[in-house]
Amino acid sequence: KNQVEQSPQSLIILEGKNCTLQCNYTVSPFSNLRWYKQDTGRGPVSLTIMTFSENTKSNGRYTATLDADTKQSSLHITASQLSDSASYICVVSDRGSTLGRLYFGRGTQLTVWP
Amino acid sequence: EADIYQTPRYLVIGTGKKITLECSQTMGHDKMYWYQQDPGMELHLIHYSYGVNSTEKGDLSSESTVSRIRTEHFPLTLESARPSHTSQYLCASRGQGAYEQYFGPGTRLTVT
Repeated sequence: KNQVEQSPQSLIILEGKNCTLQCNYTVSPFSNLRWYKQDTGRGPVSLTIMTFSENTKSNGRYTATLDADTKQSSLHITASQLSDSASYICVVSDRGSTLGRLYFGRGTQLTVWP
Repeated sequence: EADIYQTPRYLVIGTGKKITLECSQTMGHDKMYWYQQDPGMELHLIHYSYGVNSTEKGDLSSESTVSRIRTEHFPLTLESARPSHTSQYLCASRGQGAYEQYFGPGTRLTVT
């Protein structure tokens, strides 16, 4: 069964600190992995997209890594800001159909305190 | 910000009413999607469309229906709302040959 598991479920950090969120998946055949940021009451916004051949990608203070062999990904946030408080969702796409089916994790709820 | 819009943003409605959630995108994307999301849970695909006059049901069974008469417009309709339909509904679109899927801001529906 294709699944995407994220940890931790929730995380509280102080402003300025770094943190790392984890994503494990069993989706096969693999096409790409995305990290989205979803503010409360809003739609998800893409942070990074990585294909099989990419093992790291950065977007400002966000750096995602991918190990396609172990089927793990991480999202590292550097020098956190209050505006980073949101849910971070790991999404994996398969390449088994034209649809490019997306499998969503439940997200990690990050809270940044001043 | 992507050019994909949803209205209304919030809706509180009584049981048995008919409702239509609007979704429009100005990017000319051929593929459009509707997802349902409950608090703290993952998104579930309920409908998708590859283009005009093409609609399919997603993985999560839904009593809603959709139509795609114009490329930019993908409305979702509930003929008779029930409390079990209370959820957040997210619309998304994707261009031909592209990985990126853009999401709208969502409609928070509450059925009393």
